Amino acid sequence: QKEVEQNSGPLSVPEGAIASLNCTYSDRGSQSFFWYRQYSGKSPELIMSIYSNGDKEDGRFTAQLNKASQYVSLLIRDSQPSDSATYLCAVNSGSEKLVFGKGTKLTVNP
Amino acid sequence: DAGITQSPRYKITETGRQVTLMCHQTWSHSYMFWYRQDLGHGLRLIYYSAAADITDKGEVPDGYVVSRSKTENFPLTLESATRSQTSVYFCASRGITGELFFGEGSRLTVL
Repeated sequence: QKEVEQNSGPLSVPEGAIASLNCTYSDRGSQSFFWYRQYSGKSPELIMSIYSNGDKEDGRFTAQLNKASQYVSLLIRDSQPSDSATYLCAVNSGSEKLVFGKGTKLTVNP
Repeated sequence: DAGITQSPRYKITETGRQVTLMCHQTWSHSYMFWYRQDLGHGLRLIYYSAAADITDKGEVPDGYVVSRSKTENFPLTLESATRSQTSVYFCASRGITGELFFGEGSRLTVL
């Protein structure tokens, strides 16, 4: 069973701080990694994808991938109250399907 | 507008009734997926389709039926709804680099 694990949270950070969200996966052959943001009552929205080891930056978001340690993380710099949401990690192990973690709920306090 | 749309957005039905949730995408993506999302379980894959007339079971297929006669449509049918099928259902299609794009969701309540 291919698994993706995330801390359920809630993770609470003050406005302007860095929020760090972590995800581990069980299948060493995993190739593609995605972060989704889901606001309450809404559908998941893709915010980052990463395919190779290292960091990938997009605005205030940085995705980090370490295949040797089988983890992927998402950093949100200068966190804003509008970043408050549940963040889902998703991993593709070479099949047609993505395996999702259960998500980490982030709250950014003004 | 291009994208993926689901209907109905909200549905209340009774135990034993048949319900069909519709999904339509305008990107001509080959792969389409149906997930359900419940508290404590996250997103769980019900069925997926690689192309027209090709479908396969996901993690929780029991009680559901799918069809895909056209690339753009992927309806999900609950043949005899049960209370345990009360959930939020998301349809998604897959882009060329493996990412999924989700519809707005269909919130189903089975009384």
